[in-house]
Amino acid sequence: EVQLVESGGRLIQPGGSLRLSCAASGLTISNNYMSWVRQAPGKGLEWLSVLYRGGSTYYADSVKGRFIISRDISNNTLYLQMNSLRAEDTAVYYCATLSSFDYWGQGTLVTVSS
Amino acid sequence: DIVMTQSPATLSVSPGERATLSCRASQSVGNKLAWYQQKRGQAPRLLIYGVSTRATGIPARFSGSGSGTEFTLTISSLQSEDFAVYYCQQYNNWGYSFGQGTKLEIK
Repeated sequence: EVQLVESGGRLIQPGGSLRLSCAASGLTISNNYMSWVRQAPGKGLEWLSVLYRGGSTYYADSVKGRFIISRDISNNTLYLQMNSLRAEDTAVYYCATLSSFDYWGQGTLVTVSS
Repeated sequence: DIVMTQSPATLSVSPGERATLSCRASQSVGNKLAWYQQKRGQAPRLLIYGVSTRATGIPARFSGSGSGTEFTLTISSLQSEDFAVYYCQQYNNWGYSFGQGTKLEIK
């Protein structure tokens, strides 16, 4: 059974940094295109970033230059380093495959507030 | 970035009737178009990929069509469990983007 488990979300002040983790089991993240997607309270889905099998990365304009996606192959874990956080970054953050092999985590809540 | 625009924002349909949801891309996405369903408090679920291919376990009442910049998700006979929010999503070699969603509600 495939499981994606996000962690690391919490309350953080504007301007701060946070690293989210997505631990995978039953699926090898380096063999899949892995994305981060967020959903602000009461709002729609927003794609943030993808890490392709070969290591290429792409970002949405809204987070380019502030967020960094990476992976640890030995731990089979995907990360999202989030810097210079703003109130509008408040959301549930999901990791997901966004492919025909469709797997999503349960999400982790990030709240940016003073 | 490719902007995906869905219409309508809210669609009210009676159970047993047909629902048609639309999605438009700001530039051609070829056949790299997917549809997701999200119910309250749950992660999204893939319904359709490659414009018209149903994902594993998705009932035949869900169908997708279109090409280039105009796409449609059709639910042929609405069941109670189909009332949810639906998102279209494009995927290309440089990333992804979602539409803003269509809320399908009971009439």
